[in-house]
Amino acid sequence: DAKTTQPPSMDCAEGRAANLPCNHSTISGNEYVYWYRQIHSQGPQYIIHGLKNNETNEMASLIITEDRKSSTLILPHATLRDTAVYYCIVRAGGTSYGKLTFGQGTILTVHP
Amino acid sequence: DGGITQSPKYLFRKEGQNVTLSCEQNLNHDAMYWYRQDPGQGLRLIYYSQIVNDFQKGDIAEGYSVSREKKESFPLTVTSAQKNPTAFYLCASNAGLSKNIQYFGAGTRLSVL
Repeated sequence: DAKTTQPPSMDCAEGRAANLPCNHSTISGNEYVYWYRQIHSQGPQYIIHGLKNNETNEMASLIITEDRKSSTLILPHATLRDTAVYYCIVRAGGTSYGKLTFGQGTILTVHP
Repeated sequence: DGGITQSPKYLFRKEGQNVTLSCEQNLNHDAMYWYRQDPGQGLRLIYYSQIVNDFQKGDIAEGYSVSREKKESFPLTVTSAQKNPTAFYLCASNAGLSKNIQYFGAGTRLSVL
């Protein structure tokens, strides 16, 4: 699985968009980008994933650069409840079971 | 509600004692996983199971044991051989084509008395 690099922490004002970057310069052609988040003392929660096209769901949007070497998770209107650790994971498309490698992630703090 | 239920939420272990953490899912998922999380760290895989009566070791299986007698259940036993068991334990499951989308329980926090 490709290695990912994320900033250790970010701040965002409530109601503003939170843009969380992720670098994955060694990503290969069959690898997807997945985003999860973990609110303090809870289990991780799946947010969104994509291969090369931009994706949007009810929680967030995922923007993947044309060369696929980086991506950005966008929370369009951050709330205090979005304060969490956000993990970017790169893995081959669901062809086999196995572990997800959660790195250090980005601690997002949403403040009033 | 569909989901993954872990119990207990908090657990205390005495020296030399084995303890078992429960994980039950009603999502009809084939695969189940156990992860360990230490403070400020990412998740590390302990064991996983793709089908009933089969399981594989993860990265840190020593001192742990599992069973998968039913599709819905995947209990984890922390044995006395695990010398540093204090951690947050997370159970997850997934199935079908979305094998990289894992659904997690709320976790069990284990401490040593």
